[in-house]
Amino acid sequence: AQKVTQAQTEISVVEKEDVTLDCVYETRDTTYYLFWYKQPPSGELVFLIRRNSFDEQNEISGRYSWNFQKSTSSFNFTITASQVVDSAVYFCALSEAAYNDYKLSFGAGTTVTVRA
Amino acid sequence: DTGVSQDPRHKITKRGQNVTFRCDPISEHNRLYWYRQTLGQGPEFLTYFQNEAQLEKSRLLSDRFSAERPKGSFSTLEIQRTEQGDSAMYLCASSLVAGRRVSENIQYFGAGTRLSVL
Repeated sequence: AQKVTQAQTEISVVEKEDVTLDCVYETRDTTYYLFWYKQPPSGELVFLIRRNSFDEQNEISGRYSWNFQKSTSSFNFTITASQVVDSAVYFCALSEAAYNDYKLSFGAGTTVTVRA
Repeated sequence: DTGVSQDPRHKITKRGQNVTFRCDPISEHNRLYWYRQTLGQGPEFLTYFQNEAQLEKSRLLSDRFSAERPKGSFSTLEIQRTEQGDSAMYLCASSLVAGRRVSENIQYFGAGTRLSVL
């Protein structure tokens, strides 16, 4: 079963618009970690954020912000005032602590295109 | 700290040939993971090492695939008798896991090796 669902396949915005990426996850584990990674055209996955299941505080880092809601099993990501350099594929991922392997289960990704 | 390095970046091979990829993790990281990513999909877990021990292999890893991490440093992923279905991006990631404390357990990825099997 798919553990991480990113329903939006592609989002296209004009520069300076805000864009929100949805992520819904599924797990029976009580201790887990949620991640967002960015994959620019160069191919390397760039780590953006990690949240653990016990910390539901929202977080802001510059133009990026994340909204974690356990009640709806969602971990959404917003880019404020988007820029062309934000164009990339963004992946949400889940890591479950139960077996100590901490392998990542990724969603299918959302391609963000920011037009000048 | 030079990050995770993967070599080669691109590999084109003919069906039936063997290929080997290399991954150099971040030096102090004890865990090393391999993932495979096909077009339009997120990466899928293949296998991981804790130091030199290979602790888990996905069902995606057929008998034609083998991975090693001698001395707990760099790792190699070999695919024997390649098939067209093996065409994908192979990603390596490393992390530091210290006992039950997972404060450092963030996986950092290399740029990947893109394999094309003709």
